[in-house]
Amino acid sequence: AQSVTQPDIHITVSEGASLELRCNYSYGATPYLFWYVQSPGQGLQLLLKYFSGDTLVQGIKGFEAEFKRSQSSFNLRKPSVHWSDAAEYFCAVGNQAGTALIFGKGTTLSVSS
Amino acid sequence: DTAVSQTPKYLVTQMGNDKSIKCEQNLGHDTMYWYKQDSKKFLKIMFSYNNKELIINETVPNRFSPKSPDKAHLNLHINSLELGDSAVYFCASSPSPIEQYFGPGTRLTVT
Repeated sequence: AQSVTQPDIHITVSEGASLELRCNYSYGATPYLFWYVQSPGQGLQLLLKYFSGDTLVQGIKGFEAEFKRSQSSFNLRKPSVHWSDAAEYFCAVGNQAGTALIFGKGTTLSVSS
Repeated sequence: DTAVSQTPKYLVTQMGNDKSIKCEQNLGHDTMYWYKQDSKKFLKIMFSYNNKELIINETVPNRFSPKSPDKAHLNLHINSLELGDSAVYFCASSPSPIEQYFGPGTRLTVT
């Protein structure tokens, strides 16, 4: 069965510190991978996506993610976290146009000063 | 310019009532979706339409009925609301390929 696992429910990092959010997927075909961010009371904003090609993808707000097929992972990173990055982060997987995304359960990021 | 909009943003209603949530996208996408986010923030697909045709219908109660009058609109009607229907409902649209753009959500509270 297709699934997405985000092992960390809640992470706290200090402002200015680096961040890595983990995502593992189980998918039969070549996956399309996404990271979305949800700020409190807001909708989901697409941070970045991987379809094919370079396995290191750059997104908005200084985020990047690396696709590792051998580890079935698509971890999200940011070199220096800002207080405004505090939010819920969702990893998602899909396959082709018109099909729904399968989401992980999300990781809550808190940023301490 | 709002890409995917939903109305209302908040909806408080009593058990047994019937309510609708509207969604509109101005992106020209062919495919639209409804997702439900529960109290634990878990997101799950409910329905998907492509060019007004239903293509995904997950296991949801028959009380939920989507309607797509045209490819820019996908509305969600819920009959006989129950306490367990309280959630945030997100509309999304998608071009080809697959990336999806989400609306701001509608927080439904059933009392």
